[in-house]
Amino acid sequence: DAMVIQNPRYQVTQFGKPVTLSCSQTLNHNVMYWYQQKSSQAPKLLFHYYDKDFNNEADTPDNFQSRRPNTSFCFLDIRSPGLGDAAMYLCATSRGGWGITYEQYFGPGTRLTVT
Amino acid sequence: GESVGLHLPTLSVQEGDNSIINCAYSNSASDYFIWYKQESGKGPQFIIDIRSNMDKRQGQRVTVLLNKTVKHLSLQIAATQPGDSAVYFCAENNTGANSKLTFGKGITLSVRP
Repeated sequence: DAMVIQNPRYQVTQFGKPVTLSCSQTLNHNVMYWYQQKSSQAPKLLFHYYDKDFNNEADTPDNFQSRRPNTSFCFLDIRSPGLGDAAMYLCATSRGGWGITYEQYFGPGTRLTVT
Repeated sequence: GESVGLHLPTLSVQEGDNSIINCAYSNSASDYFIWYKQESGKGPQFIIDIRSNMDKRQGQRVTVLLNKTVKHLSLQIAATQPGDSAVYFCAENNTGANSKLTFGKGITLSVRP
């Protein structure tokens, strides 16, 4: 089945130790998104790629970076995780089209714990 | 520091009854709307979407209603089942501006057996 895959599902990192979360998709979608979701809150968009074009949200801290080496993979790098970065990180994909919006498909998420 | 989680509004319904989950959106330029279901520990799951040229769309056991005049969106679930218990998010997009979704705060649906 076509899907969005996130690895690992659970990640524990130490305060200040860089961590990378990965996302892959078999949907061949050209748009990939990274969201942060804290308990009892809506997903908050960090950034997205439209093909190779990177689009950062204005309020996303510099501590968060992303890479998309090819259509199928996208990575979220947290350079120096703080306790406040503990959250669920969600990857999503969608088709992209001029003048039309398509639904986003989400992966299962990676639960990040910072100790 | 310690963080305090927000408490989402909760809708409690009896199994077998119909559920109506409401959402008020903010941007009058939004032209695409979508409902997601999120179970505990999982990613949001697409339920149904609707574009602004429609005011009603039906899926399997679900119906979405859009009232652009008052900027209101609702999700109706027929014959609610225990498996429908989850947090439900509405989201909106202004296609002319970008491809991003703006999510609402979320509502917890609790189904009583």
